[in-house]
Amino acid sequence: DAGITQSPRHKVTETGTPVTLRCHQTENHRYMYWYRQDPGHGLRLIHYSYGVKDTDKGEVSDGYSVSRSKTEDFLLTLESATSSQTSVYFCAISFSTNQPQHFGDGTRLSIL
Amino acid sequence: GQQLNQSPQSMFIQEGEDVSMNCTSSSIFNTWLWYKQDPGEGPVLLIALYKAGELTSNGRLTAQFGITRKDSFLNISASIPSDVGIYFCAGPLDMDSNYQLIWGAGTKLIIKP
Repeated sequence: DAGITQSPRHKVTETGTPVTLRCHQTENHRYMYWYRQDPGHGLRLIHYSYGVKDTDKGEVSDGYSVSRSKTEDFLLTLESATSSQTSVYFCAISFSTNQPQHFGDGTRLSIL
Repeated sequence: GQQLNQSPQSMFIQEGEDVSMNCTSSSIFNTWLWYKQDPGEGPVLLIALYKAGELTSNGRLTAQFGITRKDSFLNISASIPSDVGIYFCAGPLDMDSNYQLIWGAGTKLIIKP
């Protein structure tokens, strides 16, 4: 799994509550990404980071924020979770922009 | 926006059969990536292609970067039970980097009982 740990692996919460997912890497890769995976959609990029404190929006960023205070950690926050954010969330890392991305094992998030 | 169309959506195969799947894009790509995902796990990179016409193998897997740069193919020879899973193609949205990958919806491989 390329030294990527996602936590928690599963979470059930209620609409309107804040949720934070964590991605931790031991590879010292500069680039980190958050995706969501839904049936029939493949993976869709939420946010990505190209360095400490450097982040940018992806295709489906509405309702999500991210932070990267150190190289090894990339946090994804749902400020006020909605049922449409029920999904499986994957973190990925890459050494450079021209190297393929490697993925963690995902967090299954259910919002009731 | 750009889309990746992956086909077939699913395949039922007998052990020992060869498998073919493909991915097409509405735009030109400069990189094609093929990943496999097992249940409960993240996608794992199988093959990366960087040049039009390139043919690359990884064991029983062979992938090709189409000459038009708008398609790619993945073949699996002599399938075995551990080949079951979902296969995804992906390519970078930005021609100059892999920041933003767009993904096909996947081809699900199922072994016939």
